[in-house]
Amino acid sequence: DAGVIQSPRHEVTEMGQEVTLRCKPISGHDYLFWYRQTMMRGLELLIYFNNNVPIDDSGMPEDRFSAKMPNASFSTLKIQPSEPRDSAVYFCASSFRDVEKLFFGSGTQLSVL
Amino acid sequence: GENVEQHPSTLSVQEGDSAVIKCTYSDSASNYFPWYKQELGKRPQLIIDIRSNVGEKKDQRIAVTLNKTAKHFSLHITETQPEDSAVYFCAASDGNTGKLIFGQGTTLQVKP
Repeated sequence: DAGVIQSPRHEVTEMGQEVTLRCKPISGHDYLFWYRQTMMRGLELLIYFNNNVPIDDSGMPEDRFSAKMPNASFSTLKIQPSEPRDSAVYFCASSFRDVEKLFFGSGTQLSVL
Repeated sequence: GENVEQHPSTLSVQEGDSAVIKCTYSDSASNYFPWYKQELGKRPQLIIDIRSNVGEKKDQRIAVTLNKTAKHFSLHITETQPEDSAVYFCAASDGNTGKLIFGQGTTLQVKP
């Protein structure tokens, strides 16, 4: 298995633009997580899904952020409109049967100018 | 909810020395404590974990200890090597939801 696949690896955009990050979890995993990593706040859980259903979105910073999981092999995290303070590395992770042993993707480095 | 604090934020050791990273947690119901290693520009990867019914776990040069009474756990790396240089994150499971709450990370530098 290729592991958790994220795209793009790097994204540079201007303030106000819409940004869409994509994730393909490991086949067979039933949990999917979106994390944001910054120097100031470390690794923050934004939202997680179980069997494609959002379970906890309490970490989503504000209404500009939304996440979807239309099927077991694909999820998106969208920021609209983007702001410079959204600049961070966004990780997707998946796990099998529980929320504990996470397998992370390579991350998307987002820069909002 | 769970809160995890990690110390130190940076740690520099000579090759061959031991390194210890400590974490404290707030939720007495937490029962799972993993450690992740993140090399520069790479993804975090699970290196060792421990559950609340165990006090210590070892895997070659890496060990984790857990003190549930004091609500702290530690990562011990012996005979450090330059390839151990990375950022290490501890985490604790939220007692209510089970989701992982991460510490702020420790940047370990092993000098050859």
